[in-house]
Amino acid sequence: ETGVTQSPTHLIKTRGQQVTLRCSSQSGHNTVSWYQQALGQGPQFIFQYYREEENGRGNFPPRFSGLQFPNYSSELNVNALELDDSALYLCASSPWQSPNTEAFFGQGTRLTVV
Amino acid sequence: GENVEQHPSTLSVQEGDSAVIKCTYSDSASNYFPWYKQELGKRPQLIIDIRSNVGEKKDQRIAVTLNKTAKHFSLHITETQPEDSAVYFCAASTDSGGYQKVTFGTGTKLQVIP
Repeated sequence: ETGVTQSPTHLIKTRGQQVTLRCSSQSGHNTVSWYQQALGQGPQFIFQYYREEENGRGNFPPRFSGLQFPNYSSELNVNALELDDSALYLCASSPWQSPNTEAFFGQGTRLTVV
Repeated sequence: GENVEQHPSTLSVQEGDSAVIKCTYSDSASNYFPWYKQELGKRPQLIIDIRSNVGEKKDQRIAVTLNKTAKHFSLHITETQPEDSAVYFCAASTDSGGYQKVTFGTGTKLQVIP
């Protein structure tokens, strides 16, 4: 059974650019959630994907968007990058067996916006 | 929306002593409360969880208690060891119209002094 993997592990972008982060969910998991973790803070929920559709969203602007593919992998896209977007971006996958089951995190992508 | 407060933000204990971390939540609909351990530069990993129909759960040196009436839950680590040093996050999860929204606390940095 493979775990959750994210790519790339580190990324440096310039303000105003666009970025795409990728996540492969754990085998057997069809739900993927994305989180932003600023330094010294807890993860903040961005959105969740289930069956290739966004089915929940936190307090993030529309320039944060995503996709989920038939194999349940997912992408997080951020347009018009701002300095405050610098953070660790985590994805987590879980099985949709029942509400509120354990989520397994990837190792994260450290995004630095300069 | 849900708001999770976590205290203390930092905690230092001598090896062998107990450590207690406390969290409160605001949304009475939250029904799943996971605790994550995050070591420096690594992904958050679930260490214990509790559902709202249970008041206490124990796994070896780790225990969690939940008081639904007061909307607070606590993590207890007994016989602490240096490898317990990490940042611990509590979280409250709500089944919001078909998706699982997880709100994290701000974290507690635990240092176990040998």
